[in-house]
Amino acid sequence: EAAVTQSPRNKVTVTGGNVTLSCRQTNSHNYMYWYRQDTGHGLRLIHYSYGAGNLQIGDVPDGYKATRTTQEDFFLLLELASPSQTSLYFCASSGTNQAPLFGEGTRLSVL
Amino acid sequence: QQQVRQSPQSLTVWEGETAILNCSYEDSTFNYFPWYQQFPGEGPALLISISSVSDKKEDGRFTIFFNKREKKLSLHITDSQPGDSATYFCAPFNTGNYKYVFGAGTRLKVIA
Repeated sequence: EAAVTQSPRNKVTVTGGNVTLSCRQTNSHNYMYWYRQDTGHGLRLIHYSYGAGNLQIGDVPDGYKATRTTQEDFFLLLELASPSQTSLYFCASSGTNQAPLFGEGTRLSVL
Repeated sequence: QQQVRQSPQSLTVWEGETAILNCSYEDSTFNYFPWYQQFPGEGPALLISISSVSDKKEDGRFTIFFNKREKKLSLHITDSQPGDSATYFCAPFNTGNYKYVFGAGTRLKVIA
């Protein structure tokens, strides 16, 4: 069964803290994505990748780094977290000519 | 730059009515148009999609109407049910670059 698994599901950190969000897909998809979702903005693309070692910049990349270590694993890094990064984060994966399949999300609070 | 616009922002209909959700876009290279359905606490799930070579796609109570010339599409939900209450996103893209851009969504509420 196709799956995208995110961890942790909830995270609380303080301003200036270091956070890593993890995503693993078992779908053999080439493409993986990180989005953030905020009320009134829908889903906004942070970074995406089309394979291990590849990284493409999305529409709201400031303050975020990402790394695709394998075809299955995509990480989102917040090295100096700020309250403006409090949000609901979604990871997704897609194959060729396929719409993305989403994970269940990670809720991040930066105090 | 707002590439994808959805309207209305929220919509309330009675059970059994037809809900109409609208989406417009600017990028003429978009050639694939999925709609996602999202329930609270869950990730978005693909509901129905259409390619730019078609003007209509039907799947049960859900129908997409697509107007390529005007860069507009709409999602019609007939015989709306309370279980359809969710947020719906239009997410057009170009199969050449796989950069998915989502609209801000339409929050649908169906009253029994």
